[in-house]
Amino acid sequence: AQSVAQPEDQVNVAEGNPLTVKCTYSVSGNPYLFWYVQYPNRGLQFLLKYITGDNLVKGSYGFEAEFNKSQTSFHLKKPSALVSDSALYFCAVRAPTSGYSTLTFGKGTMLLVSP
Amino acid sequence: DGGITQSPKYLFRKEGQNVTLSCEQNLNHDAMYWYRQDPGQGLRLIYYSQIVNDFQKGDIAEGYSVSREKKESFPLTVTSAQKNPTAFYLCATQDPGNQPQHFGDGTRLSIL
Repeated sequence: AQSVAQPEDQVNVAEGNPLTVKCTYSVSGNPYLFWYVQYPNRGLQFLLKYITGDNLVKGSYGFEAEFNKSQTSFHLKKPSALVSDSALYFCAVRAPTSGYSTLTFGKGTMLLVSP
Repeated sequence: DGGITQSPKYLFRKEGQNVTLSCEQNLNHDAMYWYRQDPGQGLRLIYYSQIVNDFQKGDIAEGYSVSREKKESFPLTVTSAQKNPTAFYLCATQDPGNQPQHFGDGTRLSIL
């Protein structure tokens, strides 16, 4: 069975400071990993994915994520946080396939960026 | 996501009543998914469909039913057997392989 852990319910950071939102995963084989962001009363928006290749993945809105196979982690990062980055962030994993496989989500981390 | 339309945005259910949530997509994706979101619990998979006229149960299918008569549509019925239906329901679609899922803006279901 596959699983995702987001160990922090909430992350607080001051605007302009770097941010990290943590994610660890468990899956058979090489993982497909995803980060999504959710604003209040909205659906999830895709930020970035890791499939294969470079361990540092760049995505939307200046976000990036670092894949670490030995630590089974996929932490989301941004060099300089904005107040508008305040939202709920989800990490997700699924097993690799050329077809479809189900996606497993973490419980989410609320990011609060203070002015 | 403009390509996935969920309606209504808010829905109220009376005791003993079945209600149906609509999900329509124009992304031409074969696969469609229904998730339930509760505070602090992330997203949990209810049902999914990879092709018309076929669907599979997810992790929490009890008390729910679906149909997939058209590629564009994947309605979810919350039956009276679902004793705790209050939640935010999200529909998603996907292309095959390593593509991300795309989400609608959700329906919030509450009990009257």
